[in-house]
Amino acid sequence: NAGVTQTPKFRVLKTGQSMTLLCAQDMNHEYMYWYRQDPGMGLRLIHYSVGEGTTAKGEVPDGYNVSRLKKQNFLLGLESAAPSQTSVYFCASSGTVYTEAFFGQGTRLTVV
Amino acid sequence: GEDVEQSLFLSVREGDSSVINCTYTDSSSTYLYWYKQEPGAGLQLLTYIFSNMDMKQDQRLTVLLNKKDKHLSLRIADTQTGDSAIYFCAASTDSWGKLQFGAGTQVVVTP
Repeated sequence: NAGVTQTPKFRVLKTGQSMTLLCAQDMNHEYMYWYRQDPGMGLRLIHYSVGEGTTAKGEVPDGYNVSRLKKQNFLLGLESAAPSQTSVYFCASSGTVYTEAFFGQGTRLTVV
Repeated sequence: GEDVEQSLFLSVREGDSSVINCTYTDSSSTYLYWYKQEPGAGLQLLTYIFSNMDMKQDQRLTVLLNKKDKHLSLRIADTQTGDSAIYFCAASTDSWGKLQFGAGTQVVVTP
């Protein structure tokens, strides 16, 4: 009954460091998304994927890269972290474009 | 692109009805959603409405859609302390399931 699992849940990075956030879903969903949540701004789409091997840019893609090598996993990478990337990151997946999107618990990232 | 706006805060007494409002700009929005976020948790879908509907009721939740004014509302009847959370309005306009979220409305339920 896992649904969408994000790893890690918390992380503190120094400016310039790199890291990868992992999102795993066990619902065989085609569509996966990465959002960031900042105070007073709701969630903004970073990148998304419409199937294994595909990725596309969302609203705020700069400074991030993604990969979807396996259908169940969607990785979000920060090559050189900046303080502006301090945020809560949410992964979501959905089976079709108009059905419910299931969200992970979030990753709280602080860049100092 | 789509803009979705919500009021940021709502205080309501336990047992009263809550009404959370949302406006959107893209008239081609196909589905409109209400998500709930409790502290430290992800988002949970509460309900959604298709753009050709005016109203949808689901137990204590009533969604009203005024497509002409591009206005969406969520009414929670008999509000309980467990309803305290942030509520997000979201719109889906394209064929890839991307959601445009409002900033969220913090609902505080007082005894």
